[in-house]
Amino acid sequence: AQSVTQLGSHVSVSEGALVLLRCNYSSSVPPYLFWYVQYPNQGLQLLLKYTSAATLVKGINGFEAEFKKSETSFHLTKPSAHMSDAAEYFCAVDQNTGFQKLVFGTGTRLLVSP
Amino acid sequence: DAGVIQSPRHEVTEMGQEVTLRCKPISGHNSLFWYRQTMMRGLELLIYFNNNVPIDDSGMPEDRFSAKMPNASFSTLKIQPSEPRDSAVYFCASIGGRSYNEQFFGPGTRLTVL
Repeated sequence: AQSVTQLGSHVSVSEGALVLLRCNYSSSVPPYLFWYVQYPNQGLQLLLKYTSAATLVKGINGFEAEFKKSETSFHLTKPSAHMSDAAEYFCAVDQNTGFQKLVFGTGTRLLVSP
Repeated sequence: DAGVIQSPRHEVTEMGQEVTLRCKPISGHNSLFWYRQTMMRGLELLIYFNNNVPIDDSGMPEDRFSAKMPNASFSTLKIQPSEPRDSAVYFCASIGGRSYNEQFFGPGTRLTVL
């Protein structure tokens, strides 16, 4: 079964610094991969998705992620962190069941300091 | 569009009581998911409906949990009897139309069972 692993439950950066949130996947078939963001007391919101088209995927709020098959990774990056980026980020993989059955990682809380 | 609507936003109840959580998906979406989020287990899929029919309920923890979708615009998740370990945030998400691979999440219901 497909799964994802997020390294680091917390990541702290300074405002303006590079954001790098790590996600590695395990899949026996070409995966569909997603990054979601959750702000406090809210539901999850899709940031970006990889569906076997371009390996570099651009999302909302300046985030992007690169699918690297050789490394089984789908890390999320943003060149310059903003205070408003502080949230929890979830990587997810589609289980390829024919409907969008997602398995989520354990999440990474991004802390942004001034 | 108002997005996915969930009610109530907060529910506090005593052990043994029946709890009913409600969800209104985005109009035109034909698939609906119920998730549970806890610190210990993260985000778990409980059940998935397609065109109002339950397709995958393998994530429903036990017989105390039941879900229905009587029509395309309404779904319920019921816990009877409730137990303290059911305390969690329950999310509803819907998908469909042109957003066929993006799940739209509701704001969640925070359930506390005393």
